[in-house]
Amino acid sequence: AQSVAQPEDQVNVAEGNPLTVKCTYSVSGNPYLFWYVQYPNRGLQFLLKYITGDNLVKGSYGFEAEFNKSQTSFHLKKPSALVSDSALYFCAVRVPISSGSARQLTFGSGTQLTVLP
Amino acid sequence: AAGVIQSPRHLIKEKRETATLKCYPIPRHDTVYWYQQGPGQDPQFLISFYEKMQSDKGSIPDRFSAQQFSDYHSELNMSSLELGDSALYFCASSGHGSTETTDTQYFGPGTRLTVL
Repeated sequence: AQSVAQPEDQVNVAEGNPLTVKCTYSVSGNPYLFWYVQYPNRGLQFLLKYITGDNLVKGSYGFEAEFNKSQTSFHLKKPSALVSDSALYFCAVRVPISSGSARQLTFGSGTQLTVLP
Repeated sequence: AAGVIQSPRHLIKEKRETATLKCYPIPRHDTVYWYQQGPGQDPQFLISFYEKMQSDKGSIPDRFSAQQFSDYHSELNMSSLELGDSALYFCASSGHGSTETTDTQYFGPGTRLTVL
């Protein structure tokens, strides 16, 4: 079984400061990891993913995430937060298709990011 | 760029009624996924289709059924609605085959179902 944990329900950061939203995962085999962002009453927007290769993944809107296999983590980061980054962030995981497992995503519980002006 | 389209965006039904949600995937995407997001919760996988065949099944109630049509759009049919079915229902689509680089799921805006 695969699972994702987002240990922080809420993260507050001042505008211009760096932000980190934490995510840890548990899967059998190599994980495929994703970050999505959800604005109020909107769908989930894809930010970035890690499949293989460089542990530092760059995504949309200046976000990046670092895959750490030893710590089973995939934290989302941004060097300088904007007020418009305030939203709900979901980490998600699935296993490789070749393993025969299903393709559906398993989501974490979400982290509400608030960037204060 | 074209995105996933879902209709209707909002739906209000009474208990024991039926509802049909529609999803139109991104052009040339052949895989569709349905997720349910309850208030304050993370999305939960319901069911998926690849090339018009059911590929995976999650926590979908027996009262719900879904299918994917020849034009790749999908419909989620919900019967005997219960208060607990009130949620945001997302459809996502992804590209074809087993190529991991094309297998990102792109989500639609969701249908908010309210059961009274």
